[in-house]
Amino acid sequence: QVQLVQSGAEVKKPGSSVKVSCKVSGGNFSSFAFSWVRQAPGQGLEWMGGIIPFFGSANSAQKFQDRVTLTADKSKNTVYMEMSSLTSEDTAVYYCARGGGVVWGQGTLVIVSS
Amino acid sequence: DVVMTQSPLSLSVTLGQPASISCTSSQSLLYSDGTTHLYWFQQRPGQSPRRLIYKVSNRDSGVPDRFSGSGSGTDFTLKISRVEAEDVGVYYCMQGTHWPETFGQGTKLEIK
Repeated sequence: QVQLVQSGAEVKKPGSSVKVSCKVSGGNFSSFAFSWVRQAPGQGLEWMGGIIPFFGSANSAQKFQDRVTLTADKSKNTVYMEMSSLTSEDTAVYYCARGGGVVWGQGTLVIVSS
Repeated sequence: DVVMTQSPLSLSVTLGQPASISCTSSQSLLYSDGTTHLYWFQQRPGQSPRRLIYKVSNRDSGVPDRFSGSGSGTDFTLKISRVEAEDVGVYYCMQGTHWPETFGQGTKLEIK
């Protein structure tokens, strides 16, 4: 049974960066694709990007391309989402999910506030 | 980007009665290999989303058979045959055929 466990909540200042991790257990890490999805307070789901650790390839939605970096560490079975130049509009719960959304992490709340 | 439009955006249903949610895409979701990457998710209050249906009509493991998905091309439907109290939450469709993946706005289901 594949499980995704994300890092804890973060409080960040505007203009700073945040890096959220998503540790994968119970499956063949390298064979999966992973997505990152965010949800602002009271809002819907927004797909941010995806990564396939086996190929080392990552793609972000155009909206996030300049500020989001998706990486994977195969030795740690972990994928990461790093976002820079944070603003208050980035306050949201960030989820990792296995490709197709079959399994989701518990979410990581990122609050951006001065 | 493919726009996914859900209707209604909110639904109030009596326990035991059926419910139906529509999802329309701005482009056909039929992929070149003949598959259609349309998914349905349920998000209960305070929880992560949970996938209910994949590739239009396939129920995920553990999903009650009162949930069913149908459709093709650009028009899709999620049906709940008899709503139960545990079905309260927000339902999202998502397409994975075209990059980037995109979600519908969500449909909030409550019990009348």
